[in-house]
Formats: sequence, C-alpha cells, structure tokens
Amino acid sequence: DAGVTQSPTHLIKTRGQQVTLRCSPKSGHDTVSWYQQALGQGPQFIFQYYEEEERQRGNFPDRFSGHQFPNYSSELNVNALLLGDSALYLCASSRTLQETQYFGPGTRLLVL
Amino acid sequence: SQELEQSPQSLIVQEGKNLTINCTSSKTLYGLYWYKQKYGEGLIFLMMLQKGGEEKSHEKITAKLDEKKQQSSLHITASQPSHAGIYLCGADSSSGNTGKLIFGQGTTLQVKP
Repeated sequence: DAGVTQSPTHLIKTRGQQVTLRCSPKSGHDTVSWYQQALGQGPQFIFQYYEEEERQRGNFPDRFSGHQFPNYSSELNVNALLLGDSALYLCASSRTLQETQYFGPGTRLLVL
Repeated sequence: SQELEQSPQSLIVQEGKNLTINCTSSKTLYGLYWYKQKYGEGLIFLMMLQKGGEEKSHEKITAKLDEKKQQSSLHITASQPSHAGIYLCGADSSSGNTGKLIFGQGTTLQVKP
C-alpha cells in the first residue's frame, strides 16, 4: 500500500518564476492538505482540498493556488516566486476532512 | 489565534536514558497529534489524543493529554539512536476538527550511543 507521494523531490527556481508541485494521496484518502515548512520551524497550513474544491485556507497570499483532480491527486502552484518561498513543501492526505493526516516526503524548493 | 509551544527546543541524551517533551497550547486542544520528522523529510504519524487524561503508548513512546486539554507530553523510555529526530506536536486550529492543523516549532532529539 503506497503512502503519500510527492514530486519532484527537489527543485531550484529563480525569483519571479512559477512552480508546480504534485501530490498523490494514500490509497483510500480523498482529502489533501498542503503545508510549508521553513528551516527550523513547524509546518504552516497553506490550504486543503476535498471533492476538488479548496475547503480551507491558511494565511498565504493568492500567489499560492492549488487544484485537486478527480483521482484525488493534487497540485500546488506558486507564482512570482520570492526568496522567502524557499522551504520544504509537505503534502498530507486523510480519509476525510477530520481524520488523521499522513504526510509525504516533501518537495524541497530553493528560490535563488 | 491558537499557538503551540514545545519544550525543550532541543535535547541530547545518552542512549538508554528516558526523556520527556512537552507541548503547551494557548487554547483548549480538540485533537493533539504527535509526529516525528527526520531532517528534511516528511512527518511520520506517532499518536493522536483527544480526551482529557488520555494516554497512549506505542513501543517505548507514551503520549499523554492533561485533564484540562491544554498540555501534552511525549515520553520516551530507554532511548535508542533510532529515536533521534524532530518531534512535532500538532493540533486542529478550531473546535470543529476541520483538519487545518497548526504545529509547534519542534523538538530536536539527539541520542548519543
């Protein structure tokens, strides 16, 4: 039973560029949440997708957007990248909105 | 807004020693999660506590939630090098159990052989 998978594992971009990160949830899970983790900090909630809709959003600007597909996989898009967007981006999936979230290995984004 | 404070921020223990990590909330907790993270990797789910006074154990790790549901502790008995990593407590940010988790800043544990 595959767990949560994310791609790519690492990414280097320059300021102003756009990036797309991908996530496949654990089998049987229909809810995907995205988190940003800066070095030395705990993860911060970006947004959550369920039934292909954004259900909740954290305190992140509109440059951060997402999508959920009919197979429950999800994408995180970040436009107009800033140096401060450099972080580990974590995807988590759960069976429903309320159940325990299981995390993927993350995508390390470096913005130069 | 709710905040989670973890203590200590870092910990170095000799293999075989016991240790405790604390997580304190500014508001009542409606679901407290403990995760472990290897540096630069994803979070591994350890345990989830919901009821005041609840205690759960898995192998040598025990987590407790106090009666007032504002503090949780994670206790490791007879630590091993495999216990090394970053321990994070997380909680739902509202009483409605929405899945929008907030996290503490993490406690880094080193276990010396």
